[in-house]
Amino acid sequence: AQTVTQSQPEMSVQEAETVTLSCTYDTSESNYYLFWYKQPPSRQMILVIRQEAYKQQNATENRFSVNFQKAAKSFSLKISDSQLGDTAMYFCAFTQPGAGSYQLTFGKGTKLSVIP
Amino acid sequence: ETGVTQSPTHLIKTRGQQVTLRCSSQSGHNTVSWYQQALGQGPQFIFQYYREEENGRGNFPPRFSGLQFPNYSSELNVNALELDDSALYLCASSFPGVEQFFGPGTRLTVL
Repeated sequence: AQTVTQSQPEMSVQEAETVTLSCTYDTSESNYYLFWYKQPPSRQMILVIRQEAYKQQNATENRFSVNFQKAAKSFSLKISDSQLGDTAMYFCAFTQPGAGSYQLTFGKGTKLSVIP
Repeated sequence: ETGVTQSPTHLIKTRGQQVTLRCSSQSGHNTVSWYQQALGQGPQFIFQYYREEENGRGNFPPRFSGLQFPNYSSELNVNALELDDSALYLCASSFPGVEQFFGPGTRLTVL
């Protein structure tokens, strides 16, 4: 079974600074996808960024980028120029093709607070 | 384009009762997945429906059941509610494919 581990229950960062959230995962498969989701207090899960395992290039979406280390099974999220609106729970998630069902496996989350 | 909607927003039930939660998928999506998110935890996969058929199930007992309708909306039914069923229930729709789009969730409290 696949597992996703987020070792930082809580983190804080000053506004405009950079912060990195960690995630490790365990799988024996070679074809899979990794995601970072953001869940603000409004509860709606929002996709931040995704990474395909077959791509060597790290994904980037504006201020958000990942460091994907396939051999180490590590998938960290870097948030640059942190903004107050980045305050939220961040979940790392994993999925792989399996009988057509792309079920997501989530970590326990990291609570990020951006301090003015 | 209409996003994923869920109803009700929150509800309170007592142990042993039955509950039905509803989800309308995003326009053009034919796959719906349900997740349970206990307080302080990440979401856990309950099951997925694709074209009205169950297409994958997580480690949840049979008292968790679902339906998908021809318009791809979906219901999650939970029978014989237990205190541990208290959680945020999230619905996500997809084309199908890798990327899932989540609704705002239904907060269920079981007393």
